[in-house]
Amino acid sequence: QSVLTQPPSASGTPGQRVTMSCSGSSSNIGSNTVNWYQQFPGAAPKLLIYNNNQRPSGVPDRFSGSKSGTSASLAISGLQSDDEADYYCAAWDDSLNGPVFGGGTQLTVL
Amino acid sequence: QVQLLESGGGLVKPGGSLRLSCAASGFTFSDYYMSWIRQAPGKGLEWISYISSSGNTRNYADSVKGRFTISRDNAKNSLYLQMNSLRAEDTAVYYCARGDSTGCPDYWGQGTLVTVSS
Repeated sequence: QSVLTQPPSASGTPGQRVTMSCSGSSSNIGSNTVNWYQQFPGAAPKLLIYNNNQRPSGVPDRFSGSKSGTSASLAISGLQSDDEADYYCAAWDDSLNGPVFGGGTQLTVL
Repeated sequence: QVQLLESGGGLVKPGGSLRLSCAASGFTFSDYYMSWIRQAPGKGLEWISYISSSGNTRNYADSVKGRFTISRDNAKNSLYLQMNSLRAEDTAVYYCARGDSTGCPDYWGQGTLVTVSS
């Protein structure tokens, strides 16, 4: 059981905009920033969004993040087949004194 | 560029021990918190331990507390995880990760597979 809650799956067609949610509590998302990671099968996770809405160098601006209260969202616009992957949210948890993750959302591009 | 390279994974019997290593390069290792994070087959990510830049502060998830020990050698740019009393549920890919300013991972290694089975 993951500390942060994500829907297990999401889907969209090429060119579409999709969003996925991440729900937490006051001890994690409510008081700390959120990171998002992209993971392809058999590969390590890669940082996609940090500090709620910042993109590391090299990440296309099709990816955007937002946070409100104890929830966060990742949006992908202009969906491409290459975006098919698992997406995880994470935030520091002040009660656990460590980072906590969502269970991941598997994105399918139809 | 930042590189993290894990090693030491393998097959071990329940109750056995294993020591993982992570060699870091491309950044000033002694400036960063480091974490171990694992992913069981077909499952999500689970943080298991972090260590501060100096090594003075460490913390563990309840699932490994008392069995696993994290350590680092800043002179060798290396991170370690000593795993004792291993259980079947410890089977996972173990990732070494650098902590960003919040403590959450930014860069990840490629992972090393630990399989606990008789």
